[in-house]
Amino acid sequence: KAGVTQTPRYLIKTRGQQVTLSCSPISGHRSVSWYQQTPGQGLQFLFEYFSETQRNKGNFPGRFSGRQFSNSRSEMNVSTLELGDSALYLCASSLDGHNEKLFFGSGTQLSVL
Amino acid sequence: AQTVTQSQPEMSVQEAETVTLSCTYDTSESDYYLFWYKQPPSRQMILVIRQEAYKQQNATENRFSVNFQKAAKSFSLKISDSQLGDAAMYFCAYKGRDTGNQFYFGTGTSLTVIP
Repeated sequence: KAGVTQTPRYLIKTRGQQVTLSCSPISGHRSVSWYQQTPGQGLQFLFEYFSETQRNKGNFPGRFSGRQFSNSRSEMNVSTLELGDSALYLCASSLDGHNEKLFFGSGTQLSVL
Repeated sequence: AQTVTQSQPEMSVQEAETVTLSCTYDTSESDYYLFWYKQPPSRQMILVIRQEAYKQQNATENRFSVNFQKAAKSFSLKISDSQLGDAAMYFCAYKGRDTGNQFYFGTGTSLTVIP
């Protein structure tokens, strides 16, 4: 089985722009979660989608949004980018809503200039 | 809210020796899961070991084992016979049993293995 695929691997944007990141989960996995990783902060939970519905949301401003499609692929969008949004964005998938094993992608490194 | 604390930003170990990484957490839940994830330079997080809170027996995966102290809310990772490939960032993580897939991570410990 192919693993979790995130595209693009690297992205450079300027302040005020918006960005969309993509995540394809492992085949058969219905839950997709997004995390923001910054040095010294560890990983912080953004949101989780399960069967096209947002089930959990972390403590991030409304500029961060996401969605999940019927094939379980997910996108994350950040509008009006700020310098502080520079981070590694990790996507993780799991089999179902109660399976506790997360499988991570290699992330998208976003740099905001 | 649940918090996970890793008080060792960096650790080093000689190849073939044993090292222990520390993790403490805070929660009011009685049933939960604890994890250690490894993040090598490739950036992909890899599950190292998992512990279910209701199980008293410490989890073991080959050279990796944990010391789970529920009352103290402590969850340390022991790596035996350290290998060069063990060099990575290690993250401790917590997940409540009934909170979907919202994980709480510590800030990580960077492990260096000295040949």
